[in-house]
Amino acid sequence: AQTVTQSQPEMSVQEAETVTLSCTYDTSESDYYLFWYKQPPSRQMILVIRQEAYKQQNATENRFSVNFQKAAKSFSLKISDSQLGDAAMYFCAYRSDYGGSQGNLIFGKGTKLSVKP
Amino acid sequence: NAGVTQTPKFQVLKTGQSMTLQCAQDMNHEYMSWYRQDPGMGLRLIHYSVGAGITDQGEVPNGYNVSRSTTEDFPLRLLSAAPSQTSVYFCASSITTGGGYEQYFGPGTRLTVT
Repeated sequence: AQTVTQSQPEMSVQEAETVTLSCTYDTSESDYYLFWYKQPPSRQMILVIRQEAYKQQNATENRFSVNFQKAAKSFSLKISDSQLGDAAMYFCAYRSDYGGSQGNLIFGKGTKLSVKP
Repeated sequence: NAGVTQTPKFQVLKTGQSMTLQCAQDMNHEYMSWYRQDPGMGLRLIHYSVGAGITDQGEVPNGYNVSRSTTEDFPLRLLSAAPSQTSVYFCASSITTGGGYEQYFGPGTRLTVT
């Protein structure tokens, strides 16, 4: 079974600085997708970025980028120019490319990010 | 589009009571799921459905029932509430299971069982 591990329960960053959140996963599959979701205090889950395992190029979305290391099974999220609105819980998630019971989204336990003004 | 809607937003139950958490989506998604979120545990899958009439268990199904009679609705039933079911519950949907499709989440229901 696939597992997702986020080893940093809490992180802190100064406004305008850069922070990297770590995520590792375990799978025997070769085709899969990885996601970062943000959960602000409002509780709403928001997709930040996604990465296809077959793509070597790291995904980027504005100030958010990932470092995807397939061989190491590592998927870290980098937030540049941190803003107060980035303060939230961040979840790393894995999803198989297969359907049925294998295609459920599997979450890590989350990293709580604080942004200091 | 309203997206994924959940009712109620908050609920307090006494031990042994039953209730249904409602979930609906208007995006014609095949796949729907229920998660519970507990502090330090992330989101854990309770039940999921890959289409109308098809449901299956996730990681933590005990104490919960689901049914999917229409594409739009996926209610979660607590048969006899227990304090261990105090949690935040999220309903989610996506076009299908598997793949890179975005999974959309409802706003969540905070349930307290006393």
